Amino acid sequence: KNQVEQSPQSLIILEGKNCTLQCNYTVSPFSNLRWYKQDTGRGPVSLTIMTFSENTKSNGRYTATLDADTKQSSLHITASQLSDSASYICVVSGGGADGLTFGKGTHLIIQP
Amino acid sequence: SAVISQKPSRDICQRGTSLTIQCQVDSQVTMMFWYRQQPGQSLTLIATANQGSEATYESGFVIDKFPISRPNLTFSTLTVSNMSPEDSSIYLCSAIGADSYEQYFGPGTRLTVT
Repeated sequence: KNQVEQSPQSLIILEGKNCTLQCNYTVSPFSNLRWYKQDTGRGPVSLTIMTFSENTKSNGRYTATLDADTKQSSLHITASQLSDSASYICVVSGGGADGLTFGKGTHLIIQP
Repeated sequence: SAVISQKPSRDICQRGTSLTIQCQVDSQVTMMFWYRQQPGQSLTLIATANQGSEATYESGFVIDKFPISRPNLTFSTLTVSNMSPEDSSIYLCSAIGADSYEQYFGPGTRLTVT
């Protein structure tokens, strides 16, 4: 069964600090892995998309890594800001949008 | 990129009634989808909205309960029929852009059934 596990479930850090969110998956076949940010009351917004051949991708202060061999990904947030408070969802695609497997997300809270 | 809007943004409905949610995309997209997100849970795909034909439903979702229309490339509706409190959830419209790679999500419709 395809699964995407994210950790931690929730995280609280002080503004300005860095943090790393984890995603482990057992999706097969694998097409790409996406990280989304979902603000409260909003739909998910794409941060990064990585295919099998990519092992890192950055989007501003967000850097995602992918190890396709161990089926692990991480999202690193640098110099956190209050606006980073959101849920971060890892999504693995097996090809075609109907083949998406969603993680439950990590709820991140940035405290001043 | 594509911007997706949904109406209504939220609603409180009585048991046994139906609600139709509208989804509008500001550019042509290849595929449109409807998801449900229950509190603290990940997104669950309800169905793929097919233009001009019946939607393709995922296991556990049926057309009588969640009729879907997609009359053109940029517009779709989802109806939640004969609602019960278990239908309380956020319903999200999603679309794949013309590049067939990026997937966009609407802001969601927060439904509460009393």
